[in-house]
Amino acid sequence: AQSVAQPEDQVNVAEGNPLTVKCTYSVSGNPYLFWYVQYPNRGLQFLLKYITGDNLVKGSYGFEAEFNKSQTSFHLKKPSALVSDSALYFCAVRKPYSSASKIIFGSGTRLSIRP
Amino acid sequence: ETGVTQSPTHLIKTRGQQVTLRCSSQSGHNTVSWYQQALGQGPQFIFQYYREEENGRGNFPPRFSGLQFPNYSSELNVNALELDDSALYLCASSLMGGSAEAFFGQGTRLTVV
Repeated sequence: AQSVAQPEDQVNVAEGNPLTVKCTYSVSGNPYLFWYVQYPNRGLQFLLKYITGDNLVKGSYGFEAEFNKSQTSFHLKKPSALVSDSALYFCAVRKPYSSASKIIFGSGTRLSIRP
Repeated sequence: ETGVTQSPTHLIKTRGQQVTLRCSSQSGHNTVSWYQQALGQGPQFIFQYYREEENGRGNFPPRFSGLQFPNYSSELNVNALELDDSALYLCASSLMGGSAEAFFGQGTRLTVV
């Protein structure tokens, strides 16, 4: 069965420090990988995606993610956290070559940046 | 802003009633998907529409149904509402193709009492 795991319900980081939000997946083949962010009472905003190529993907708001095929991981990173980064982050996967573009989401990680 | 708009933003229904949620897709997008996000959980795929046809469905019962119109706007209909249907319902539009990211609306918060 396809699944996405975000092992940490919450990550707490001091402003200015680097942050990492972890994600592992279990999907056959070479899936497409995504990160979305959700602010309170809002929908999901696209941050970045990995399709193929360079394992380090750069996205919006200074975020980047590192794809590791052998570990089936796609961790979200940022070199220097901002208080405004505090939100709920979702890792997601989609099977390639599928006519139905179903996205499978993880359970989410709440990122809290303290001043 | 993503260009995907949903209405209404909130509504309260009684168990057993029927509800219709609406979504206007981002211009140029031909695919719309609906997701249910229960409190404290990630979004769950309900179904997807492409060119007005259902093109994939998640583990949701038939009382969840949908429509996509020629202008690519969409509706989600839920019959015989149950208390567990209380959730945030998200509409996402995209281009057909697995590599295309989906753009989400702000959601409709449905409360069933």
